[in-house]
Amino acid sequence: GAGVSQSPRYKVAKRGQDVALRCDPISGHVSLFWYQQALGQGPEFLTYFQNEAQLDKSGLPSDRFFAERPEGSVSTLKIQRTQQEDSAVYLCASSPTAGVHNEQFFGPGTRLTVL
Amino acid sequence: GQNIDQPTEMTATEGAIVQINCTYQTSGFNGLFWYQQHAGEAPTFLSYNVLDGLEEKGRFSSFLSRSKGYSYLLLKELQMKDSASYLCAVTDSNYQLIWGAGTKLIIKP
Repeated sequence: GAGVSQSPRYKVAKRGQDVALRCDPISGHVSLFWYQQALGQGPEFLTYFQNEAQLDKSGLPSDRFFAERPEGSVSTLKIQRTQQEDSAVYLCASSPTAGVHNEQFFGPGTRLTVL
Repeated sequence: GQNIDQPTEMTATEGAIVQINCTYQTSGFNGLFWYQQHAGEAPTFLSYNVLDGLEEKGRFSSFLSRSKGYSYLLLKELQMKDSASYLCAVTDSNYQLIWGAGTKLIIKP
């Protein structure tokens, strides 16, 4: 079956531009997570959705970051007025059950480079 | 504060055994995950420990001591394809995983 997909795989943005990153989770998965991963580091939690409800957004680094999952399936992470420090790989993961106590299935990530 | 420590890099020989350690200090604890991440790829699940003790799964085993805030991942009969980063992650709350920086494992023939 299909795994988690993300698009685009690579994005180059000029500083100040807005970007939108898409995540298609595994069909039927309840939980969806967004992470930011810098080179040589582990993923950093950004936000968590249980179906369409955003239950935790405490990891979003600033109010320039916004995420949504309006129908409980596809999710979009939006970054407004991008800055160079936003350059990273953005990973999306989904899980069949609620919460974090189950295996997460990761997408390939979107590598964002802000010039 | 929240802290997860893993060695940055380890080197081992094909066919040998290697143990990757992880120590953690977090405000909450519900379980510990190990994930494998090949360069440029997404993390993939290896194990999840909730209770103390050793869990074996083929060539990979994972151990947890909650009282010591300590876990290790044991890889046996190393193969070249095991060259990857190994990430330790702790469930700190209902929704968040706290991740270590990962241990880059280099396998030499």
